[in-house]
Amino acid sequence: AQSVTQLDSHVSVSEGTPVLLRCNYSSSYSPSLFWYVQHPNKGLQLLLKYTSAATLVKGINGFEAEFKKSETSFHLTKPSAHMSDAAEYFCVLSGGGADGLTFGKGTHLIIQP
Amino acid sequence: KAGVTQTPRYLIKTRGQQVTLSCSPISGHRSVSWYQQTPGQGLQFLFEYFSETQRNKGNFPGRFSGRQFSNSRSEMNVSTLELGDSALYLCASSLDLDTSYNEQFFGPGTRLTVL
Repeated sequence: AQSVTQLDSHVSVSEGTPVLLRCNYSSSYSPSLFWYVQHPNKGLQLLLKYTSAATLVKGINGFEAEFKKSETSFHLTKPSAHMSDAAEYFCVLSGGGADGLTFGKGTHLIIQP
Repeated sequence: KAGVTQTPRYLIKTRGQQVTLSCSPISGHRSVSWYQQTPGQGLQFLFEYFSETQRNKGNFPGRFSGRQFSNSRSEMNVSTLELGDSALYLCASSLDLDTSYNEQFFGPGTRLTVL
């Protein structure tokens, strides 16, 4: 069975400071990993994905994530937070094939002015 | 290119009724997946359809069913509604089946409230 654990349900940072959203995973296969963002009353939007190529993945809006197999982690970072980054973030795993996606519980990112 | 559309956006039903939700994928996408989002359980995979066939199913009771039409549009049906079925139901489409490599594009969801 595969699983995703997002270590923080809420993260609060000040505008202009770095963002770190933590994600650990468990999978019997070589996983593909994704970060999605969900703004209020909107669908999910893909930020970035790791599919066994480069371990440091750059996404949209200045976000990036590093895949660390030894730590089974895929943390999301951004050097400088913007007010528009306030949203719910989901770490997502795909074990391959047609198994669907496994979602973490989500991290609510709050940006303080 | 139009995104994934879901209808209706909001729905209120009472316990015991049934409901049908609709999803139109992005043009050219052949795979449609459905997810249930609740505050308690988060986002959970319901099922995936490809070429009018259900390819995979999550851990939900048989009251939850779906189908896909030849134009890739999909519907999901929930019979004998329970209070716990209140949720945001998200549809996602992708070009092909393998979720490892095929980005899933999500619709805005249908908010179902069961009274």
